[in-house]
Amino acid sequence: GQNIDQPTEMTATEGAIVQINCTYQTSGFNGLFWYQQHAGEAPTFLSYNVLDGLEEKGRFSSFLSRSKGYSYLLLKELQMKDSASYLCAVRDSNYQLIWGAGTKLIIKP
Amino acid sequence: IAGITQAPTSQILAAGRRMTLRCTQDMRHNAMYWYRQDLGLGLRLIHYSNTAGTTGKGEVPDGYSVSRANTDDFPLTLASAVPSQTSVYFCASGTGLDTGELFFGEGSRLTVL
Repeated sequence: GQNIDQPTEMTATEGAIVQINCTYQTSGFNGLFWYQQHAGEAPTFLSYNVLDGLEEKGRFSSFLSRSKGYSYLLLKELQMKDSASYLCAVRDSNYQLIWGAGTKLIIKP
Repeated sequence: IAGITQAPTSQILAAGRRMTLRCTQDMRHNAMYWYRQDLGLGLRLIHYSNTAGTTGKGEVPDGYSVSRANTDDFPLTLASAVPSQTSVYFCASGTGLDTGELFFGEGSRLTVL
């Protein structure tokens, strides 16, 4: 079966750095996505990795290792507004997205 | 403002009733999707459409139907609602199968009693 694993919840301090991990086992691989979802709102796109390595976009970076079935999202200089759920998704061989359950990130002052 | 619109935002429905969730996008995206989101689970694909006139079944299609008469609209119908269909439903669109970003509507919270 297809599976995306990520931690259920993480806590971090304002101004710090946090890394959210995602491991996957899917039928084929056509890219990995990270989305942010604030409570009661729609998911919004953060990043896309299809090749191994690090993609940086401002305070957010995403890393992919296809051989290990592993990705992480790195958030720097945390702000209170970063409190949200972070969803990892993999596009499989049928070009459908398989979603993880999300990691709820709590930022404390 | 360009984007994707869902209606209704919230609905309470008696079991056995028929319900249609509406979804409209004005971005001229070819691909559209319906997901349900339940606590502790990832988004699960109900149905999708790669282009106007075509639809496909996702991971959890039973009890739901869709149509794609034109590019902009992608309604989701529950023919006879059951309590297990209580969920938050998200419509999403994208330019195509092999593109990255999906754009999501604000969601429709459905409660079936």
